[in-house]
Amino acid sequence: GQNIDQPTEMTATEGAIVQINCTYQTSGFNGLFWYQQHAGEAPTFLSYNVLDGLEEKGRFSSFLSRSKGYSYLLLKELQMKDSASYLCAVMDSNYQLIWGAGTKLIIKP
Amino acid sequence: GAVVSQHPSWVICKSGTSVKIECRSLDFQATTMFWYRQFPKQSLMLMATSNEGSKATYEQGVEKDKFLINHASLTLSTLTVTSAHPEDSSFYICSANRDRGFSYEQYFGPGTRLTVT
Repeated sequence: GQNIDQPTEMTATEGAIVQINCTYQTSGFNGLFWYQQHAGEAPTFLSYNVLDGLEEKGRFSSFLSRSKGYSYLLLKELQMKDSASYLCAVMDSNYQLIWGAGTKLIIKP
Repeated sequence: GAVVSQHPSWVICKSGTSVKIECRSLDFQATTMFWYRQFPKQSLMLMATSNEGSKATYEQGVEKDKFLINHASLTLSTLTVTSAHPEDSSFYICSANRDRGFSYEQYFGPGTRLTVT
């Protein structure tokens, strides 16, 4: 079966760095997405990785290792507004997204 | 960045009535759009994949006669919840697939909160 695993909840301190991991097992792979979702809102696109390596976008970076079925989202210089759920999703061979359950990130002052 | 709009953003309807939700890609063409449903504190659940000019592909367990999807153009897909019941109350989100040639990006609409009384 297809499976996406990510931690349910993480806590970090304002100004610090946090890494949210995602492991996946899917039928085919056409890229991995990270989304941010604030409570009551639709997800917002953060990143897309299809090749191995690190993609950096400002305070957010995303890493992919296809051989290990592993990705992480790295958030630097955490701000209170970063408190949200972070969703990992993989596009399978049918170009459909398989979603993880999301990681709730709590930022403390 | 690419923008996807949904209308309405929230709707309250009586049990037994039908509700139509529109999803539009505002600045790009989307041959594929997706409809999701999200219940409180749960992850997104894909309901159906909508392809322009053809019938939608529904996920297992989603009633195609109850959730009518029409993808009439490259920028518009509609979801109609027919004969709505209170258990259909949920947050409905659409997304549009933007093919950049070398990568895919999915952009989400803001969502439509449906409450059936």
